[in-house]
Amino acid sequence: DAKTTQPNSMESNEEEPVHLPCNHSTISGTDYIHWYRQLPSQGPEYVIHGLTSNVNNRMASLAIAEDRKSSTLILHRATLRDAAVYYCILNSGSEKLVFGKGTKLTVNP
Amino acid sequence: EAQVTQNPRYLITVTGKKLTVTCSQNMNHEYMSWYRQDPGLGLRQIYYSMNVEVTDKGDVPEGYKVSRKEKRNFPLILESPSPNQTSLYFCASSLGTGGGSPLHFGNGTRLTVT
Repeated sequence: DAKTTQPNSMESNEEEPVHLPCNHSTISGTDYIHWYRQLPSQGPEYVIHGLTSNVNNRMASLAIAEDRKSSTLILHRATLRDAAVYYCILNSGSEKLVFGKGTKLTVNP
Repeated sequence: EAQVTQNPRYLITVTGKKLTVTCSQNMNHEYMSWYRQDPGLGLRQIYYSMNVEVTDKGDVPEGYKVSRKEKRNFPLILESPSPNQTSLYFCASSLGTGGGSPLHFGNGTRLTVT
């Protein structure tokens, strides 16, 4: 069973911010929170990851709740190229990875 | 260019004919893994390897074999393919095994077993 819970789908308008939620209530102290996205007909692509503190990179921001039981991937200005399935996973490095079904993001022009 | 290379990209075969899907990475990564992706089921892990000669089962290992004789290669072997193994397969690798290393994925292999 997936260790994370994400909405099946979300919709956004172009150039607006998008907040993609992920619940991981059973997270352990050694679990990193990773986000990947998969564009149509491509392999998954790394987006961002973090352990406890919020993280920013050129693609997105990751906001991690203080208790670490949830996180939010933030796309600051959605573009049509951001339409993809977004996966939130936990990775402690010592066991198999469970991806789940992810959130399908639709971006409207 | 740093990458994970899978071959072939497309493969059509018949039931029972042994096949191997190759995966190679040029980043000196320790961790490698195989996933299959089916409509409505998301990505499911088949096997993973923490280092050379160290492999372990994922969620759906039945019908598959792997080997890790050298760091860069992690082939997926189907000894006797069946139609229920028709799927899209992805290989992935990451630098370390501590959970803080991003996964790098190949472009996928679409397998059809008739």
